[in-house]
Amino acid sequence: DTAVSQTPKYLVTQMGNDKSIKCEQNLGHDTMYWYKQDSKKFLKIMFSYNNKELIINETVPNRFSPKSPDKAHLNLHINSLELGDSAVYFCASSQDFSNQPQHFGDGTRLSIL
Amino acid sequence: AQKITQTQPGMFVQEKEAVTLDCTYDTSDPSYGLFWYKQPSSGEMIFLIYQGSYDQQNATEGRYSLNFQKARKSANLVISASQLGDSAMYFCAMTQDSGSARQLTFGSGTQLTVLP
Repeated sequence: DTAVSQTPKYLVTQMGNDKSIKCEQNLGHDTMYWYKQDSKKFLKIMFSYNNKELIINETVPNRFSPKSPDKAHLNLHINSLELGDSAVYFCASSQDFSNQPQHFGDGTRLSIL
Repeated sequence: AQKITQTQPGMFVQEKEAVTLDCTYDTSDPSYGLFWYKQPSSGEMIFLIYQGSYDQQNATEGRYSLNFQKARKSANLVISASQLGDSAMYFCAMTQDSGSARQLTFGSGTQLTVLP
């Protein structure tokens, strides 16, 4: 009965590769997010989708491309991975695009060799 | 632009005692939400408590309470009767309800260690 699940939990890959992280929520929420947590634990929004539509797109390299096939899924595809992409990526969801609590997945630790 | 400040990088508390984690925020929007999240060493982000800017009473959830002082723009988290399992990183966060800037902005976090 996991609320927000993301896979894989760990991702180790080489520079230059392309990888995807999947996220699914079973809470019936309309809004989903991707956050990046760096090595200093700082969390920053990357993208937000509301009912499959892109709402927030922070200053993120265009190597990062989110895809929302339906409102329960928001996947993150990363092309040409770089060393600086090493971080923990969190998916989250909220009921709607307002001041509602966001519920997070367990994170995906991406390590670039 | 909204901003969240957590001035305590690390805090220690004795088991069974209460502890207050500080958080101040800066926003010009009258409508906003304040949140606290817990991140244990296992890495997951756990939602703890929420306070809306128009809420008259301070939010409480079990041993967690949010000391909301609107005029001072502070939203401190109080944990009563600390337990060893409370040792974790705690993040204060804010979201605004205006325009398109409704993302959650996080503070830098406070690492809490509960001592036996």
